[in-house]
Amino acid sequence: DTAVSQTPKYLVTQMGNDKSIKCEQNLGHDTMYWYKQDSKKFLKIMFSYNNKELIINETVPNRFSPKSPDKAHLNLHINSLELGDSAVYFCASRLWREGLGETQYFGPGTRLLVL
Amino acid sequence: QKEVEQNSGPLSVPEGAIASLNCTYSDRGSQSFFWYRQYSGKSPELIMFIYSNGDKEDGRFTAQLNKASQYVSLLIRDSQPSDSATYLCAVNWGFGNEKLTFGTGTRLTIIP
Repeated sequence: DTAVSQTPKYLVTQMGNDKSIKCEQNLGHDTMYWYKQDSKKFLKIMFSYNNKELIINETVPNRFSPKSPDKAHLNLHINSLELGDSAVYFCASRLWREGLGETQYFGPGTRLLVL
Repeated sequence: QKEVEQNSGPLSVPEGAIASLNCTYSDRGSQSFFWYRQYSGKSPELIMFIYSNGDKEDGRFTAQLNKASQYVSLLIRDSQPSDSATYLCAVNWGFGNEKLTFGTGTRLTIIP
């Protein structure tokens, strides 16, 4: 019963290629995220969607394009991959409860290596 | 630029001792604070959150928040080898705001 799942888990590709990563959550949460974690473990938010609507778009190259077909799915498409795109990409979903606060649930990550 | 800073470590603590992890943040108006644990090769998982000044205890974990000094800390009592991981501090600048800003993490090693 995976709460937040991502595919693929590993992705090795050549510079210049286009690739997609898929994310699905079965928790019924309204808000989903994409994070990038670099080799130094710094976890940086890229995008956030709330009920299919883009609400956070950090300073990310426009080669990265998120798509949310429904509130349970948030995919990430990357055009013209560069060496610096090599990182672990985490999808997350957010549970927010008034008075109780929030919890973000992370997927297992997609390890992207651009050669 | 709102920032969250942590000592990257590694922090080595003998088994059974208290591990103390610290985090400072730049925005005085920040509302909510989180500690995530990340084992090597795994995804982050929430272990503690705190909103009010003072201490909050959950089992062997205690989160401490001092808004005047803009720091939040995590104490782990009776440290176990299974506590060896990277601990990420995260700050939500608004209460209920969707954006979390993470620190760079502190790598903790518990020495048996």
